[in-house]
Amino acid sequence: GQNIDQPTEMTATEGAIVQINCTYQTSGFNGLFWYQQHAGEAPTFLSYNVLDGLEEKGRFSSFLSRSKGYSYLLLKELQMKDSASYLCAVRDSSGGSYIPTFGRGTSLIVHP
Amino acid sequence: SQTIHQWPATLVQPVGSPLSLECTVEGTSNPNLYWYRQAAGRGLQLLFYSVGIGQISSEVPQNLSASRPQDRQFILSSKKLLLSDSGFYLCAWAGAGNTIYFGEGSWLTVV
Repeated sequence: GQNIDQPTEMTATEGAIVQINCTYQTSGFNGLFWYQQHAGEAPTFLSYNVLDGLEEKGRFSSFLSRSKGYSYLLLKELQMKDSASYLCAVRDSSGGSYIPTFGRGTSLIVHP
Repeated sequence: SQTIHQWPATLVQPVGSPLSLECTVEGTSNPNLYWYRQAAGRGLQLLFYSVGIGQISSEVPQNLSASRPQDRQFILSSKKLLLSDSGFYLCAWAGAGNTIYFGEGSWLTVV
């Protein structure tokens, strides 16, 4: 199984940059996902990392270090609509199921 | 393009009543399908997954069951609901690279 740890809550100012960290422990790492979930809605896919390094997609970037069991999601030029929960999910290949396990999520509050 | 739909969006059910949530996927064949539950203030919990018609794997023991009568249909059921079954239920399918994509979700309140 996996242990996934991410901060419960973060606050940031509109226009700023925020970094949401995720650490994990897994026996057979096979990819890490980030999802955004607005209150009362389903999660939507943001990014996927399987190799070390930074993946950039517009205002959002995701970084992975497999040796450290560490990832972060970087949000630039924050907007009020970025207020949401951000879920880190890790896929484990052990057991053959390849199903991601989700962390509890980080609630990001963006204020003016 | 692929789409996933689930219904009903919200429901309020009395304790001891049955439950049926339905999910369908369009635009793909033989997808891996999943049911997750998200209780208030908690993370996403995998309940069931299916790799094909009639093939169901359960991740946690509970009074819920799942069925896959057709390739792109996944149903979550209960014969008798408990108060603890309240939550946000999400159907999902695995796309390219095994990325999980979620349906709109169903809010269940057991009273």
